[in-house]
Amino acid sequence: AQRVTQPEKLLSVFKGAPVELKCNYSYSGSPELFWYVQYSRQRLQLLLRHISRESIKGFTADLNKGETSFHLKKPFAQEEDSAMYYCALRVSSGGYQKVTFGTGTKLQVIP
Amino acid sequence: DVKVTQSSRYLVKRTGEKVFLECVQDMDHENMFWYRQDPGLGLRLIYFSYDVKMKEKGDIPEGYSVSREKKERFSLILESASTNQTSMYLCASTGDGRGNQPQHFGDGTRLSIL
Repeated sequence: AQRVTQPEKLLSVFKGAPVELKCNYSYSGSPELFWYVQYSRQRLQLLLRHISRESIKGFTADLNKGETSFHLKKPFAQEEDSAMYYCALRVSSGGYQKVTFGTGTKLQVIP
Repeated sequence: DVKVTQSSRYLVKRTGEKVFLECVQDMDHENMFWYRQDPGLGLRLIYFSYDVKMKEKGDIPEGYSVSREKKERFSLILESASTNQTSMYLCASTGDGRGNQPQHFGDGTRLSIL
């Protein structure tokens, strides 16, 4: 069974400090991993996906299969980064998809 | 731009009522999902569907059922609402998985069961 673990419910950092939001997963196959973000009073939206190896709003995430991790990082936090962040794991087989989310981490950037 | 529309932003119902939550997407997506979002518990998958009339149980299906009669519409049904089903309900859709497409979410329905 697939599982996503986000160990921190709340992460508080000062503006300009580095950020690392942790995500660990368990899945025996090849994982597809995503980070989603939910700003206050907005809908959940994609932040980035592992396969794209992209940097969005200064955030990056590297898939580490050895450690089964997909941590989200940003070198310098901004106040507008304050939000809920969810890590998600997708399992696909043909057209069948199941997406499982972690419990989320609330990032609070202190001015 | 993909649009996922949930029929109600807020809904108040009574214990024992049958409750319908509707979700419509406009991008011809094969896959649709229902989650509930609770503080400290994140998003938990209730049911999902990968084609018309096809449905699969998620991680917490008890007390819920779903209907997918048309590709664009995915309904969540609370057969007999109970107070522990008070929650925020999120609907999402995605394509067939090729190209690593993300999920697109609706605004959510905040359901209160009294």
